[in-house]
Amino acid sequence: EDQVTQSPEALRLQEGESSSLNCSYTVSGLRGLFWYRQDPGKGPEFLFTLYSAGEEKEKERLKATLTKKESFLHITAPKPEDSATYLCAVQAGNAGNMLTFGGGTRLMVKP
Amino acid sequence: KAGVTQTPRYLIKTRGQQVTLSCSPISGHRSVSWYQQTPGQGLQFLFEYFSETQRNKGNFPGRFSGRQFSNSRSEMNVSTLELGDSALYLCASSLNGGEETQYFGPGTRLLVL
Repeated sequence: EDQVTQSPEALRLQEGESSSLNCSYTVSGLRGLFWYRQDPGKGPEFLFTLYSAGEEKEKERLKATLTKKESFLHITAPKPEDSATYLCAVQAGNAGNMLTFGGGTRLMVKP
Repeated sequence: KAGVTQTPRYLIKTRGQQVTLSCSPISGHRSVSWYQQTPGQGLQFLFEYFSETQRNKGNFPGRFSGRQFSNSRSEMNVSTLELGDSALYLCASSLNGGEETQYFGPGTRLLVL
């Protein structure tokens, strides 16, 4: 069974304090790993897709990396507007386009 | 380009009733997937439709069903509502349902009393 575990569950940072969010996965034949951001009461907003180990993607203060067992979302010098829940999801080789999600990391950035 | 739209945004029903939720995908997208989000279980896959056919199904009871129309719009139906069906129901669309990105709508918040 495909499994995705995100840590930590919650993270409090001061503005400007860089950190990393972890997404560990166990999946039969990874086809893609997706990062989303979700604000309260809204649908997930797409951030990155990673397809193979060693791949990296960057967007503003965010950088996503992928290994064979986990992915990291690095946040550099975060701002209060980066506060949200960050979700990681995998797409497995034998599950069509179904996404299996982790529980998310709730990030709070204080000014 | 307009994003994924879902209607209604909020819904209150009582146990035993049924409900129909609607999703309009991004123009040109042919795959529509539905997910249920609850505080306890997180985001869970319900089913996917492509070219009016259900192509994939998650581990939910038969009370949850869906359909897709020729214009790719999709509806999901929940019959005989239970308290545990209270959740945020999210619709996501993608071009062809392969490895490409799925884009989510704002969701329909369903409360069952």
